[in-house]
Amino acid sequence: EADIYQTPRYLVIGTGKKITLECSQTMGHDKMYWYQQDPGMELHLIHYSYGVNSTEKGDLSSESTVSRIRTEHFPLTLESARPSHTSQYLCASSESRTSGRSSTDTQYFGPGTRLTVL
Amino acid sequence: QKEVEQNSGPLSVPEGAIASLNCTYSDRGSQSFFWYRQYSGKSPELIMFIYSNGDKEDGRFTAQLNKASQYVSLLIRDSQPSDSATYLCAVLYGSSNTGKLIFGQGTTLQVKP
Repeated sequence: EADIYQTPRYLVIGTGKKITLECSQTMGHDKMYWYQQDPGMELHLIHYSYGVNSTEKGDLSSESTVSRIRTEHFPLTLESARPSHTSQYLCASSESRTSGRSSTDTQYFGPGTRLTVL
Repeated sequence: QKEVEQNSGPLSVPEGAIASLNCTYSDRGSQSFFWYRQYSGKSPELIMFIYSNGDKEDGRFTAQLNKASQYVSLLIRDSQPSDSATYLCAVLYGSSNTGKLIFGQGTTLQVKP
């Protein structure tokens, strides 16, 4: 099981502020992900990384940016927060697990950051 | 057509019954399938994964995969009120090294005492 941490857990902030959501994992996983989820709605992948200096945009268009300078750290930044950014942001990391002759990626999630932009 | 489809529910079962959760996917080449449980306000937690046709059992949970029908299900035996949550089906699209996990919208399960 992965140890994956997110800070802050809750954030209420005014429109126009720059914010950074932190995500760290201690398991040495190469792959990390950011998802956005509104209450009762689907998870949407917004960014992912397959390793240091690798970042890709996900399926849901997002005004956020990410960086991956260290394996264990994958912060997400909003340059100018808006009320439409209000949501739950979930970070995940994955490892390849092998069973018999097959292997597959298994994602583990952090506790999430609930962001409210006023 | 969505890539991963689940009935949003809610699915309501009495305590002690078998809950059956279903999921279909569109990419015939997908190889890995996951079930996550998400309690309200919490993050998803992995229940189990399956990649071979047939059944895979882990305690009270059984995952069933039928690649020909592009169908994966989760059975929960002896359902408990603590099983009440949203269950997310996820499918790995692409290879293990570069693929992305696509989630269904989730099925809400209510287990009534």
